[in-house]
Amino acid sequence: GAVVSQHPSRVICKSGTSVKIECRSLDFQATTMFWYRQFPKQSLMLMATSNEGSKATYEQGVEKDKFLINHASLTLSTLTVTSAHPEDSSFYICSAEPSTSRGEETQYFGPGTRLLVL
Amino acid sequence: AQSVAQPEDQVNVAEGNPLTVKCTYSVSGNPYLFWYVQYPNRGLQFLLKYITGDNLVKGSYGFEAEFNKSQTSFHLKKPSALVSDSALYFCAVRDDSSASKIIFGSGTRLSIRP
Repeated sequence: GAVVSQHPSRVICKSGTSVKIECRSLDFQATTMFWYRQFPKQSLMLMATSNEGSKATYEQGVEKDKFLINHASLTLSTLTVTSAHPEDSSFYICSAEPSTSRGEETQYFGPGTRLLVL
Repeated sequence: AQSVAQPEDQVNVAEGNPLTVKCTYSVSGNPYLFWYVQYPNRGLQFLLKYITGDNLVKGSYGFEAEFNKSQTSFHLKKPSALVSDSALYFCAVRDDSSASKIIFGSGTRLSIRP
């Protein structure tokens, strides 16, 4: 099946630094990728939809200047948490939808990145 | 607007017994329905989906789900639970009029006791 990778799997950083998380579709092209945030024992909250070659679409309440998304190719999207603070600590999960999908295809999820901001 | 509800935070079942994890949904168009499983500190794994056709959908690891349009439900089932099925299960929906966004339920923790 389709594989999506995330790097790094775990990151610890100091407050005020920026952290970049990569999401790659390894064996398919993805025009659209999604970034989710998951708090302990809670569901996935969609943060933004990343579109190759255009600006990301952010969900209500998500600061676009805080969470920078770049989707430079059909296989790579990056999420940069700028000036991270302890409240940004969370589990970040990306997913990718094959470019050939018309909505009936499932999204394929990465393994997640655990961010801890000290 | 789309929404999906998983009314049970936790489901406890003895190994070998049948299990059901409930899900109801609301969409404006025709629903595309999905079930995912999440193990600790891992991403989501796709189990099965309903797009169209037979109401009973079979998926990975012996799981199945039944689409019930009149009750707007898509309950996940397995005839005989295994301890290894213990995990967090998410129901998700998107409608065919806005194909990009999948909405997730709150999740149900399934615990199978030996």
